[in-house]
Amino acid sequence: AQTVTQSQPEMSVQEAETVTLSCTYDTSESNYYLFWYKQPPSRQMILVIRQEAYKQQNATENRFSVNFQKAAKSFSLKISDSQLGDTAMYFCAFMTYYNTDKLIFGTGTRLQVFP
Amino acid sequence: GAVVSQHPSRVICKSGTSVKIECRSLDFQATTMFWYRQFPKQSLMLMATSNEGSKATYEQGVEKDKFLINHASLTLSTLTVTSAHPEDSSFYICSARYTGGGEKLFFGSGTQLSVL
Repeated sequence: AQTVTQSQPEMSVQEAETVTLSCTYDTSESNYYLFWYKQPPSRQMILVIRQEAYKQQNATENRFSVNFQKAAKSFSLKISDSQLGDTAMYFCAFMTYYNTDKLIFGTGTRLQVFP
Repeated sequence: GAVVSQHPSRVICKSGTSVKIECRSLDFQATTMFWYRQFPKQSLMLMATSNEGSKATYEQGVEKDKFLINHASLTLSTLTVTSAHPEDSSFYICSARYTGGGEKLFFGSGTQLSVL
C-alpha cells in the first residue's frame, strides 16, 4: 500500500525568507505523480505544483519548487520569498499511473508566515 | 487552472433530513469526480469515486445508502447525505479530474455541513 508522510505538523517562516516542507512516500510502483496542494483558511484546495516520477527535472512554479529524490522517495517543497498569503495547510499527495482514481494525501503541514 | 464549483458552501440542517451538495466543473468536462471528507485539522479522506453515467465506487467503510452520489452529466456530480445525523457533520470537498494537460485534480471550495 502507498503511504505519504509529512513529518512536520507545523512550520513558521518570516516574510521574504525561504522555507522547505518535507514529504516522503512509500510505493513499489515506478510510475506515479506527486503533488503539493495548499489549503488556506478559506479551505479551498489549490494545486501548487505537480511532478511526474519519470521526469528527472524538478518542477518549478514561480516561487515554488520541489526537490524530487526518487531513490530516496522524497518530495520536498521549497517556497522562496515567502508571502503572508502563503499561510496555509500544505498537503503532499501521491497518485499512481495505474490507479488515477486514488489520490493519497499526507497529514499536512501548517505553515505560518510572519511579517 | 480549471475551475470546480461546489454549492452550498455551508449548510445547517436538522437531524433526519437530507442534504444535497453539488459539484460542477465549469470550464471542462469531467468524466470522473471524487468526494472527500475532512475532519478538523486532519487530511482529506476519499469517500467515493463518481463516474459519469455509471454507479459510484465507494471506499471501504463508506455507507453507499447514506451518501448517495449521482453523476448524471459530464459537468455535474451530486452528493446527497440522507437522513443526516450529527456525526455526519463535517467538511465535504469534491474534485474533478482534468486530463487536458496531464493528470490533475481540481477541487471545489468545500461544503461545511452541520447537523443539529
